[in-house]
Amino acid sequence: EAQVTQNPRYLITVTGKKLTVTCSQNMNHEYMSWYRQDPGLGLRQIYYSMNVEVTDKGDVPEGYKVSRKEKRNFPLILESPSPNQTSLYFCASTLAAGSWGEQFFGPGTRLTVL
Amino acid sequence: QKEVEQNSGPLSVPEGAIASLNCTYSDRVSQSFFWYRQYSGKSPELIMSIYSNGDKEDGRFTAQLNKASQYVSLLIRDSQPSDSATYLCAVKFPGSARQLTFGSGTQLTVLP
Repeated sequence: EAQVTQNPRYLITVTGKKLTVTCSQNMNHEYMSWYRQDPGLGLRQIYYSMNVEVTDKGDVPEGYKVSRKEKRNFPLILESPSPNQTSLYFCASTLAAGSWGEQFFGPGTRLTVL
Repeated sequence: QKEVEQNSGPLSVPEGAIASLNCTYSDRVSQSFFWYRQYSGKSPELIMSIYSNGDKEDGRFTAQLNKASQYVSLLIRDSQPSDSATYLCAVKFPGSARQLTFGSGTQLTVLP
């Protein structure tokens, strides 16, 4: 089954404790993104990747890191989480340029930072 | 600043009625527009894309685009309770060729 998977689905942590949210897709898509979704603010892009070893900042990159060492995986790293990073996070993938709007989303990770 | 504006709702319509969801965007030269549906507790899924002025129909869904007015809408005919969800408008702005900008969404409730 074609899908984007994220782990963990739910995470409660404390300020300053490094964490990683994994994302993996099995569709051989070139492009992958991370979004956060907050009430009233919609989906905001954190980082995106156009291919292996090629990443760039989205609209709200502060406090986050990403890496793309393999085509299928795009982990999101919070080196020192803070309470303002409490949010619902989605990973998404897109086949290639020209289909950038047709994004396939993972199931989401709900993060709470205390 | 690239912006996508939606009426957050909630919008309630009776079953069988037409639901009309609206979206405005800030950049006149934008070329690509998308509607995503997000059920409560689920991830967004693409339901419509539109690139040219006019109407595009897909089953009970019609997307309408007016670039001169910087306005895109989604009509849902014969609304069903299963259409109850949040609808997100997304725009691919020029100069941000690899990013989508999403509106905050309109929550639709279809009443049986």
